[in-house]
Amino acid sequence: EVQLVESGGGLVQPGGSLRLSCTASGFTFSSYEMNWVRQAPGKGLEWISYISTSGSIKYYADSVKGRFTISRDNAKNSLYLQMNSLRAEDTAVYYCARIERYFDWLSSYFDYWGQGTLVTVSS
Amino acid sequence: QSVLTQPPSVSGAPGQRVTISCTGSSSNIGAGYDVHWYQQLPGTAPKLLIYGNSNRPSGVPDRFSGSKSDTSASLAITGLQAEDEADYYCQSYDSSLSGYVFGTGTKVTVL
Repeated sequence: EVQLVESGGGLVQPGGSLRLSCTASGFTFSSYEMNWVRQAPGKGLEWISYISTSGSIKYYADSVKGRFTISRDNAKNSLYLQMNSLRAEDTAVYYCARIERYFDWLSSYFDYWGQGTLVTVSS
Repeated sequence: QSVLTQPPSVSGAPGQRVTISCTGSSSNIGAGYDVHWYQQLPGTAPKLLIYGNSNRPSGVPDRFSGSKSDTSASLAITGLQAEDEADYYCQSYDSSLSGYVFGTGTKVTVL
């Protein structure tokens, strides 16, 4: 059974940093591209970052570019999100999500999601 | 500021058919990028409902169907059931933003 378990969320002050982790099981982690998607309280879903299977290719949404860094450790079946210079608008539940290609990377969809971890940015 | 627009809410009585639209533009759906749909039950993570415009993953009832045309896509739920009460999101790729994009979300209420 595919499982994705996020951890590392919590309360942080504006300008602070936090590192989220996502531990995968039930599939060959190193064979799948991974993403982070967030959802602000009462709001919709927002894709924020993608990482290739090897970790050599990374993409970010403009809203987090330059502040967040995605990474992975295939030996540990783990995905990470380093979040720096946090702002109040970064308050959200953060989900790690596996993607599956339909035809190519551009047609990919999120086939498995973790349960999410809440990040609250407030003083 | 999602680039895919959905109606905020739709409702229907048990057994009825409801449809949810997802309207995009020439940089996403209109450019030929595929559309996928997710169901998010209250307090839970999203779940894949439709992929590749009209394909259902194993385990998803055939009451759910998807279609795509020009710059928009639609999700139809036939034989509406109480357990279908949830938020629904469309998703595609946007070439102007160089990333994946989600719709604004639609809350389905079963009357």
